[in-house]
Amino acid sequence: GAVVSQHPSWVICKSGTSVKIECRSLDFQATTMFWYRQFPKQSLMLMATSNEGSKATYEQGVEKDKFLINHASLTLSTLTVTSAHPEDSSFYICSADRGNYNEQFFGPGTRLTVL
Amino acid sequence: GENVEQHPSTLSVQEGDSAVIKCTYSDSASNYFPWYKQELGKRPQLIIDIRSNVGEKKDQRIAVTLNKTAKHFSLHITETQPEDSAVYFCAASKSNYQLIWGAGTKLIIKP
Repeated sequence: GAVVSQHPSWVICKSGTSVKIECRSLDFQATTMFWYRQFPKQSLMLMATSNEGSKATYEQGVEKDKFLINHASLTLSTLTVTSAHPEDSSFYICSADRGNYNEQFFGPGTRLTVL
Repeated sequence: GENVEQHPSTLSVQEGDSAVIKCTYSDSASNYFPWYKQELGKRPQLIIDIRSNVGEKKDQRIAVTLNKTAKHFSLHITETQPEDSAVYFCAASKSNYQLIWGAGTKLIIKP
């Protein structure tokens, strides 16, 4: 149990376009979902925390108008990178918490490349 | 806020030997300490975790120890195998679920 999927697994887009990444908890209801960004050989950087039906909480330095997060249901959260630029190229990973003792389950990640 | 420091950044051990990775945290209210293993290009996977009411936890070749007084916790891997090669991350959190991550340790198992 506790499987999290993420789609797409990789995406290449042109500068200025928007990209949507989906994160789904497949066999449990996630009270909270988290979006991370990871650069090569670096740790996970928390971008935002999202709770179903409410606005996401963004970490300091993360532009909420650029990284739109929607948590429409207990099993789905989406991250939209708007007007993407090459510096947005990164590995984006979501995780979900099933409300049980802080344990987080990670999606497989999305490799975004902006040309 | 909470800060988690992890050492070493790279650890190279001979196959069959033990590996120890250490983390310290700053917020004494932290009560949950997971360890994740991440292989290149893949998702982090939880390998073991410990809560503040326990001093040690073991799962086969993997163990974690926690010293609340000193605010540090360690990952111990015994009888290391080539498939243990990966990046390991420690983290700490309080009851609000947000994990604060260490910088990671690249573990290299030499044949």
